[in-house]
Amino acid sequence: EVQLVETGGGLVQPGRSLKLSCVASGFTFNNYWMSWTRQAPGKGLEWVASITNSGGSTYYPDSVKGRFTISRDNAQNTLYLQMNSLRSEDTATYYCTRESTKGPYWGQGVMVTVSS
Amino acid sequence: DIQMTQSPSSMSVSLGDTVTITCRASQDVGIYVNWFQQKPGKSPRRMIYRATNLADGVPSRFSGSRSGSDYSLTISSLESEDVADYHCLQYDEYPRTFGGGTKLELK
Repeated sequence: EVQLVETGGGLVQPGRSLKLSCVASGFTFNNYWMSWTRQAPGKGLEWVASITNSGGSTYYPDSVKGRFTISRDNAQNTLYLQMNSLRSEDTATYYCTRESTKGPYWGQGVMVTVSS
Repeated sequence: DIQMTQSPSSMSVSLGDTVTITCRASQDVGIYVNWFQQKPGKSPRRMIYRATNLADGVPSRFSGSRSGSDYSLTISSLESEDVADYHCLQYDEYPRTFGGGTKLELK
């Protein structure tokens, strides 16, 4: 069974940093591109970052480019999202997703709250 | 960026109804459209992939279709467990973009 378990969320002050982790199991991690997608409270879904299976290429929307960094450790079956210079508008549930030609498969999500 | 214009944003429905939700893509995205179901406090569940394919374990009352740049999710004979939010996604190119969501509510 495919499992994606996100950790690392919490309350953080504006301007500070936070790093999310996603541990994958039930599939061959290094065969798949991976992504992060977020959902602000009561709002829609927003794609945040993607990384190729080797980790050699990454993709970001303009809203997080230069502040967020996606990375992966294929030996540890773990995906990361380093979030710097956090803003109140980054408050959201962050989902780890496994990518395929069928589209994303979602983890259970982790909440990040940016507030003073 | 590709815009996915989803309609309606909300819908009042009755059990047994046939419900259709639509996303219009601002550019060609081919077959690379997903439909997701999301219930309160839960992560999205993939219902349809590549525009028309039923995901594993999804009841056959759900179907996806495409007409040009319009993509639709249809629920036939709505059941209580289908009352949820629904989202479309284009994954043809980056940035990935979602529709604004549709909230189904019981009358």
